[in-house]
Amino acid sequence: EPEVTQTPSHQVTQMGQEVILRCVPISNHLYFYWYRQILGQKVEFLVSFYNNEISEKSEIFDDQFSVERPDGSNFTLKIRSTKLEDSAMYFCASTGLRLAQYFGAGTRLSVL
Amino acid sequence: GDSVTQMEGPVTLSEEAFLTINCTYTATGYPSLFWYVQYPGEGLQLLLKATKADDKGSNKGFEATYRKETTSFHLEKGSVQVSDSAVYFCALSALYGNKLVFGAGTILRVKS
Repeated sequence: EPEVTQTPSHQVTQMGQEVILRCVPISNHLYFYWYRQILGQKVEFLVSFYNNEISEKSEIFDDQFSVERPDGSNFTLKIRSTKLEDSAMYFCASTGLRLAQYFGAGTRLSVL
Repeated sequence: GDSVTQMEGPVTLSEEAFLTINCTYTATGYPSLFWYVQYPGEGLQLLLKATKADDKGSNKGFEATYRKETTSFHLEKGSVQVSDSAVYFCALSALYGNKLVFGAGTILRVKS
């Protein structure tokens, strides 16, 4: 069964450093998303991406964040200058014609 | 804005007990409704979905019915197993391609 894959599974970084989280959505899916889940809290929407542009973003997704689909398969989330409060689990998701969003296993980002 | 409210947990049950996890929503229009499950250390897995009023989603013995009159989508299972121990998230999407709005999640613990 096709699945969304995310790398790395765990990323440790120093405050102020740039990180790039990578995702390979399910092929032939049309919409791509990033969500985050701070430990013990609810899953929060960050951004959605369709037709090579951002279709919606939340208040969390400020100028420190960016997304890119550099080729036909990868979808990345970049955080330019990480803060302690960026520590969270980041989930990538994609959806095709069947409406439901399918999630990757997540990347745990730890900012020290 | 759109929102989802779930019953607070944790919910602790004995094996073979009946499970209900309540979920209500607030949304304009006719959202699609979902239940996702998160097993310890893993990502979000789609459990079931319903796209219109009176639809019943079902999977792995779990069921939920889209009740527009009560704006509810309660999750039920007739006989839980220890392996069902996880966090369950109710979510909605207002339109195809739109973000998912999640509830806070309900921890389920099943004892043998």
